[in-house]
Amino acid sequence: NAGVTQTPKFQVLKTGQSMTLQCAQDMNHEYMSWYRQDPGMGLRLIHYSVGAGITDQGEVPNGYNVSRSTTEDFPLRLLSAAPSQTSVYFCASSYGEPSYNEQFFGPGTRLTVL
Amino acid sequence: AQKVTQAQTEISVVEKEDVTLDCVYETRDTTYYLFWYKQPPSGELVFLIRRNSFDEQNEISGRYSWNFQKSTSSFNFTITASQVVDSAVYFCALSEASGNQFYFGTGTSLTVIP
Repeated sequence: NAGVTQTPKFQVLKTGQSMTLQCAQDMNHEYMSWYRQDPGMGLRLIHYSVGAGITDQGEVPNGYNVSRSTTEDFPLRLLSAAPSQTSVYFCASSYGEPSYNEQFFGPGTRLTVL
Repeated sequence: AQKVTQAQTEISVVEKEDVTLDCVYETRDTTYYLFWYKQPPSGELVFLIRRNSFDEQNEISGRYSWNFQKSTSSFNFTITASQVVDSAVYFCALSEASGNQFYFGTGTSLTVIP
């Protein structure tokens, strides 16, 4: 199993550009989520999904869109990048409810917005 | 309000010293789960432990031990005889049975000096 994979690993954008961060898992996990990690802030939840076709907002959803058309994939879209979105982004998945299940994290995407 | 507080931002110890990382949480749920994750310099997030709110038994795994005290809402992590490989950022996290979200603390950066 590849686990949770994320692409790209690094990305530089200009303000106003759009892009999609890809996340995929091959563990047949129902729950997937996106976090951003900023210095001194820990990890903050952006969006999450409890299954295909179902998504919901986390703590910091503004400026990001998600969709979940398949169990395996959970892309994160930045419609108009801003410097405040410079961060490291982690995708995670877990089997069943995340409240008591271990979350498996991807390797992260380091995004810089100029 | 911060649901998980890790007051120690950075800690440095000399190899073989014991070190305790503090974690204080806040929740109104009676059923909740607490986690510790390790983030080594390579950047990935590694699951260490999960405890549920009904199990206050302390746990030991090799050089690692965890002290869960509901009376003080704390879930502290002790590394005995620290090693250079323990150098990492450690995150405490909370999830509530009533929700689908993980709440991470801001992390404690541990440096073990040889």
